[in-house]
Amino acid sequence: KAGVTQTPRYLIKTRGQQVTLSCSPISGHRSVSWYQQTPGQGLQFLFEYFSETQRNKGNFPGRFSGRQFSNSRSEMNVSTLELGDSALYLCASSRQGDTEAFFGQGTRLTVV
Amino acid sequence: EDQVTQSPEALRLQEGESSSLNCSYTVSGLRGLFWYRQDPGKGPEFLFTLYSAGEEKEKERLKATLTKKESFLHITAPKPEDSATYLCAVQVRGSTLGRLYFGRGTQLTVWP
Repeated sequence: KAGVTQTPRYLIKTRGQQVTLSCSPISGHRSVSWYQQTPGQGLQFLFEYFSETQRNKGNFPGRFSGRQFSNSRSEMNVSTLELGDSALYLCASSRQGDTEAFFGQGTRLTVV
Repeated sequence: EDQVTQSPEALRLQEGESSSLNCSYTVSGLRGLFWYRQDPGKGPEFLFTLYSAGEEKEKERLKATLTKKESFLHITAPKPEDSATYLCAVQVRGSTLGRLYFGRGTQLTVWP
């Protein structure tokens, strides 16, 4: 079966711009989570969506937002980009009652 | 505060030289502990889930164990293809699978 798909794989943006990343979960998975991965901080939780509702939120500024659609696909948006937002953004999906979460390949965002 | 610490940060092994990676955790209550493998530029790949102290899981050259305070990932007779970053994550009791706390990982290099 198809895995978690993230698009685009690579992005270069200028400071001050905004960006939207997309994640398509595994079919049947209704939970989608987003993580930011940097060399200095490792993987940090951004937020989780389940059935179009934000279920959990990490400690990130309001510039980071997300949403989930009725088909479980999710988008995250970062506004007013800063250099420190350069990172690998990972999406994970899971199904209620499952014992593992599956990750996509990530979107590498570079802010210049 | 819920926290996951992995050691060592980096480990170099000669092919065939067995060793262990450590993951210690301080959480309000453990629901599950997860091990992932991550190759450069890719998303984490699920390896194991452990739920209770004393539990062990095996897959090829890898064996994961769990105590009340830490988990070990034992690598027996590693091969160069085992080179990767190994990530440990915990799901806190009362929280969802979509909200994991990650350690910063152990970067394993196996040389021929």
